[in-house]
Amino acid sequence: QVQLQESGPGLVKPSETLSLNCTVSGGSISTYYWSWIRQPPGKGLEWIGYISNTGSTNFNPSLTSRVFMSVDTSKNQFSLRLSSVSAADTAVYYCARTWPMVATGYFDLWGQGTLVTVSS
Amino acid sequence: DIQMTQSPSSLSASVGDRVTITCRASQRIGNSLAWYQHKPGQAPRLLVFAASSLQTGVPSRFSGSGSGAEYTLTISSLQPEDFATYYCQQHYTPPVTFGQGTRLEIK
Repeated sequence: QVQLQESGPGLVKPSETLSLNCTVSGGSISTYYWSWIRQPPGKGLEWIGYISNTGSTNFNPSLTSRVFMSVDTSKNQFSLRLSSVSAADTAVYYCARTWPMVATGYFDLWGQGTLVTVSS
Repeated sequence: DIQMTQSPSSLSASVGDRVTITCRASQRIGNSLAWYQHKPGQAPRLLVFAASSLQTGVPSRFSGSGSGAEYTLTISSLQPEDFATYYCQQHYTPPVTFGQGTRLEIK
């Protein structure tokens, strides 16, 4: 079955760029929208944004100035970059499959999440 | 952004109990409401979308209902594997937003 797995550094310094990858296995990345969602410690879930297989994107307005997403269909992988991070960006980051393919989708498949800590 | 408020924030119950979790939106959301189950160290799991549509593979003891700005998730007879945290999410207006979660614990 289709599985998602996040990967990337678990520690990022303040003001630097957080970079994560999500690998899709057991299925093609060429359908669906693919989202990033995060959960700071002790807080709720926050949708960061999505990317399609063709590279079109939609971001949460609260983060749009710092977010970049890309997709590599040859690797069945999509990526998140969040620039100028601070301690407030410390969170568990999830990748998720989004359905239907609209800005108001829900998430029918998730990765297990990866904790990223912002600290010097 | 639409604010989603869940109640209660935590709940203790026993195996076999009937449990209801409520999610209130800051405006009407046209039945565009999803529910998720999350266990520590695992990927969150979609249970319900469009307020009352059960995701494939989800046991029928789970059900969703509601309309307007108020929605509920009901578990008709709690099983040991149901103890987890549950989140609602509106998929009516971007950006989609989530409730703060309801932690369901064993009594």
